[in-house]
Amino acid sequence: GESVGLHLPTLSVQEGDNSIINCAYSNSASDYFIWYKQESGKGPQFIIDIRSNMDKRQGQRVTVLLNKTVKHLSLQIAATQPGDSAVYFCAENSGGSNYKLTFGKGTLLTVNP
Amino acid sequence: EPEVTQTPSHQVTQMGQEVILRCVPISNHLYFYWYRQILGQKVEFLVSFYNNEISEKSEIFDDQFSVERPDGSNFTLKIRSTKLEDSAMYFCASSDMRGPYNEQFFGPGTRLTVL
Repeated sequence: GESVGLHLPTLSVQEGDNSIINCAYSNSASDYFIWYKQESGKGPQFIIDIRSNMDKRQGQRVTVLLNKTVKHLSLQIAATQPGDSAVYFCAENSGGSNYKLTFGKGTLLTVNP
Repeated sequence: EPEVTQTPSHQVTQMGQEVILRCVPISNHLYFYWYRQILGQKVEFLVSFYNNEISEKSEIFDDQFSVERPDGSNFTLKIRSTKLEDSAMYFCASSDMRGPYNEQFFGPGTRLTVL
C-alpha cells in the first residue's frame, strides 16, 4: 500500500563532496530562519540561523543563503561527512511576540563513504 | 552543556486514555513550546507558553490538550482522551527570551503510540 507522508526529498552525496539543501518558505513576513538537523530517533538540533536583513551567514563547514526575492533558503555543507547523514529541516519565524517556528518538509541527506 | 530532557522516551496507551508527557526545559529559559511530528512528516507547532500562560496555540491544540508548569522545573503536555491520530513524536523546546531572534532548543522527544 502507499505510504502517505514518507516521501521526503533526498540527497545522496559522496563523503568529501559539498552538499546543498534547498528550502522554499511561504511567509514573506518571516524575519528569522533556522536550519535544524534531525538524526533518527532524536530531536531537531540547531545548525545555523539567519535574519532577514542578511543574505549569507557562515558557520563551521556550513553556510546559509537567503534569497528573499524568491523566498528561498539554502544550506551548504562543505566536505560532507558520514556523520552529516540526517534529515535537514528549515524553519521560519514570522516574528511577533511568540516566536513559534514553522518547519519545512525536510530533506534526507545520505552521505556515502 | 544544558539540555532539554523529556520523559518517558516512549509511551504506549489505549485510545481514550489520558497521557501526560513531561519535559524539563533549560533552567534559565523563559519560553516553552510543544511540537509534534507524525512519522515521516514535518515538525508541527502545538503551543507556546510564557509567564504561566499559553501565548499561542495551533488548530491542532484543541480542548483535549493542555499544558502546565506545575513547579519551577517541569513543563507538561496532557492529552485527556487520546485518539489514534495522536500517535506521533512530541518534542518539547525552550528558549531564552533575549530579543526576537532566539534559538529554540529541542528535547529528544517522546514517542506516543495510541492503540
